[in-house]
Amino acid sequence: ELQLVESGGGLVKPGESLRLSCAASGFIFRRYSMNWVRQAPGKGLEWVTAMSGSGTETYYADSVKGRFSIFRDNSKESLYLQMDSLRVEDTAIYYCAKGDEDFVRLIDFWGQGILVTVSS
Amino acid sequence: DIQMTQSPPSLSASVGDRVTITCRASQVIHNYLAWYQQKPGEVPKLLISAASILESGVPSRFSGSGYGTDFSLTISGLQPEDVATYYCQKYNVDHFTFGPGTKVDLK
Repeated sequence: ELQLVESGGGLVKPGESLRLSCAASGFIFRRYSMNWVRQAPGKGLEWVTAMSGSGTETYYADSVKGRFSIFRDNSKESLYLQMDSLRVEDTAIYYCAKGDEDFVRLIDFWGQGILVTVSS
Repeated sequence: DIQMTQSPPSLSASVGDRVTITCRASQVIHNYLAWYQQKPGEVPKLLISAASILESGVPSRFSGSGYGTDFSLTISGLQPEDVATYYCQKYNVDHFTFGPGTKVDLK
């Protein structure tokens, strides 16, 4: 059974940092691209960042470029999102999401999400 | 960057109605277009890939069409369990942008 379990969310102040983790199971992790997608309270989906299965391709939304970093540890079947210089507008549920192949394309499975709140 | 728009933002329809949602890309994206369904309180679910390929297990009342810049998702015979927000997403290049969503509920 596919599972993606996010952790590391919480309440931080503007300008602070936070690292999200996503533990994957039920599929061969290294063979699939992975994404982070967020959803502000009551709002739509915003794609944030993605990485290919091999880790050779990475992509970022303009809204987070230079502040967020995606990385993965295929030996631990885990995905991470390092979030620096957090802003109030980064407040959202962050979903870890599996791609449908090694290269970054569409998303075919989502974790349950974790809440990140940025507030003074 | 390529922008994605959807219309209408929301709609109300009766059980059994045919419902069509449109998605437009600001530049040609060929058929690199996916549709997702997000029911209230749930995570999104992939319905359609490559503009028109129904994912396994998705009811056949859902269909997708389009190519280039204009796409549509049709529900042929709306059911109560179809109440959800529907999002399109492009996946052809390096910004995998979602549309703003269309909320579908029952009249």
